[in-house]
Order: sequence, then structure tokens, then C-alpha cells
Amino acid sequence: GAVVSQHPSRVICKSGTSVKIECRSLDFQATTMFWYRQFPKQSLMLMATSNEGSKATYEQGVEKDKFLINHASLTLSTLTVTSAHPEDSSFYICSARDRLTGEQYFGPGTRLTVT
Amino acid sequence: GENVEQHPSTLSVQEGDSAVIKCTYSDSASNYFPWYKQELGKGPQLIIDIRSNVGEKKDQRIAVTLNKTAKHFSLHITETQPEDSAVYFCAASIKGWNTDKLIFGTGTRLQVFP
Repeated sequence: GAVVSQHPSRVICKSGTSVKIECRSLDFQATTMFWYRQFPKQSLMLMATSNEGSKATYEQGVEKDKFLINHASLTLSTLTVTSAHPEDSSFYICSARDRLTGEQYFGPGTRLTVT
Repeated sequence: GENVEQHPSTLSVQEGDSAVIKCTYSDSASNYFPWYKQELGKGPQLIIDIRSNVGEKKDQRIAVTLNKTAKHFSLHITETQPEDSAVYFCAASIKGWNTDKLIFGTGTRLQVFP
């Protein structure tokens, strides 16, 4: 089946630094990728929709200057958390939509801890 | 916009019993309803989905039913096993060309006791 990878799986950073998370579709091309945030024992909240070659679409309340999204190829989207603060600590999950089948596949998630 | 409610938030069953999780959605235009299983520290895995032109779908021990009129859909797991223990999320979306933004329910933590 289709595989989506995320790197890193875990990251700890200091407050004020930036962290980049990669999302890759390994065996299919994805014109659209989605980024979600999940706090402990809560649901997945969509942060933004990433479209290859164009600007991402952010959900209401998500700061686009803080959560920078780049979707430079059909297999890679990156999320950069800029000037991270402890409240940004969360589980970040991406999904990728297969451009041929339209099916959406989720990555394994990245746990970000900001100290 | 779409809103998805999910009940119950926790569910404990004995191994071999059935488990039912229910969701309601608000946007009558929604036409795609997937269910995901999420184990601790992992991303969600699709276990079954249903589209609005179908009322029921079954895959071995798992079934999903959809009532479009009432805007309800449910997940049924029969003959539960300890490895079914996880958090289950329902979701709804309007699935079309380039328009499949998923809205998730609040999740149900299922515990299956041996």
C-alpha cells in the first residue's frame, strides 16, 4: 500500500529556535498534502492544505508566518515551526493525497517538544 | 463549516463482545466518511470508509453504516480482540476533485479486556 513518511519522528528544541518537519510520499505523487496538529488525548486539527507549486491554504486561527509550509515537489512537503514556544509542543501529522486515485494516506507523525 | 461529533469518548468491552461508535455530521454536502484507528504515538490508519451512495459496508469484523437523512454514521466492531484497543476517529469530507478536507470527530478510546 501507499506509504507516507515523516522526518524526524521526534524532535526536542529550545524555545525560540525553528524546526523543520518533512513529509514524503514514498510510492506515489501527491499534489496535495495536509498538515494536522494533535494535542494529547485530542483529535486531529487541520492546520493547512499544501498544494504543490503554490501557496498553502491555512485554517482559521493558524498563523502562516509561524507555520511555514513548502510543497516544492510532488513527493515532499515541509512544515517549519518558526520561533517555537512550549505551547507549540504537539504531535504533527501529515497526510498526502494520491493524485491518481484521490486516496489520502497519513504519515506516522512527528512529536515536537519545545523546552 | 462541517462539524463532526463522536460518542462515546471511551468504551470498554470484554473480548468477544461488539463495540459501536457513533458520529454525526452537520454538512449535508459531505459525501465521504472514513474511520481511522490510531495507536499510541502513531499516525491514524484507515480501517474502513463509506461514501454517501451506500448505506452499509462490511469488511470482516468491521462494518460501517450511514444514515444520510439523520446525518449519522456508525462503526461496528464484532468479536472484539485485545489488539482492537486503540483510539478510533470518524471523519467527514466533501470528496471531489481537489476538495477532500477531512474534519475529524473527537475520538473514542476503545479498551478490549481479555
